[in-house]
Amino acid sequence: DGGITQSPKYLFRKEGQNVTLSCEQNLNHDAMYWYRQDPGQGLRLIYYSQIVNDFQKGDIAEGYSVSREKKESFPLTVTSAQKNPTAFYLCASKLRDRGLVDSGNTIYFGEGSWLTVV
Amino acid sequence: AQKITQTQPGMFVQEKEAVTLDCTYDTSDPSYGLFWYKQPSSGEMIFLIYQGSYDQQNATEGRYSLNFQKARKSANLVISASQLGDSAMYFCAMRERANPNTGNQFYFGTGTSLTVIP
Repeated sequence: DGGITQSPKYLFRKEGQNVTLSCEQNLNHDAMYWYRQDPGQGLRLIYYSQIVNDFQKGDIAEGYSVSREKKESFPLTVTSAQKNPTAFYLCASKLRDRGLVDSGNTIYFGEGSWLTVV
Repeated sequence: AQKITQTQPGMFVQEKEAVTLDCTYDTSDPSYGLFWYKQPSSGEMIFLIYQGSYDQQNATEGRYSLNFQKARKSANLVISASQLGDSAMYFCAMRERANPNTGNQFYFGTGTSLTVIP
């Protein structure tokens, strides 16, 4: 089945450690995104990538890093520089828009990863 | 200014009744898309309905309809015949037209928690 797979579902991190969240999609989507969600809040964009080997910072990129070596994969590393990393992380993807008129291409999400600092 | 505003943190509705979840948006772009997503307690974001800024008619998908009032910049979600399984968080989102600088970012509201009462 086509979809977006995030792993692990639950992750515990010690202070000062880097951790990497995996995101793989087999939808042949060009664009991929990472969002952070805190309790009672909406989604905030961390990083996004429109094509392989290219990515851009979102609104809250500090303390995070990404790579896009393959179209299917967009891993997120939460570094020790991220002071408050405990949150729910959502990976998403969509087809790349190719015009100036909105095409209605929706964004599809994975099931999310819960990260807790212990 | 907030791109997407959802003013109802929580809503209750009786089973089988209809409910309206409010969403207002802010953009000066003539081409944009409006989306609604459902997030159950499991965390996954599920796409519900889409409305393009140039669409003349309100979008409908089964029990979901979008009350699009362009002049008022509102895109309220109407759920008819509520079911217990509709209890979840609901997020309104907007995407402005293809923009190489923003990468087709989705802007999300803070969400509305809907509880369906038996």
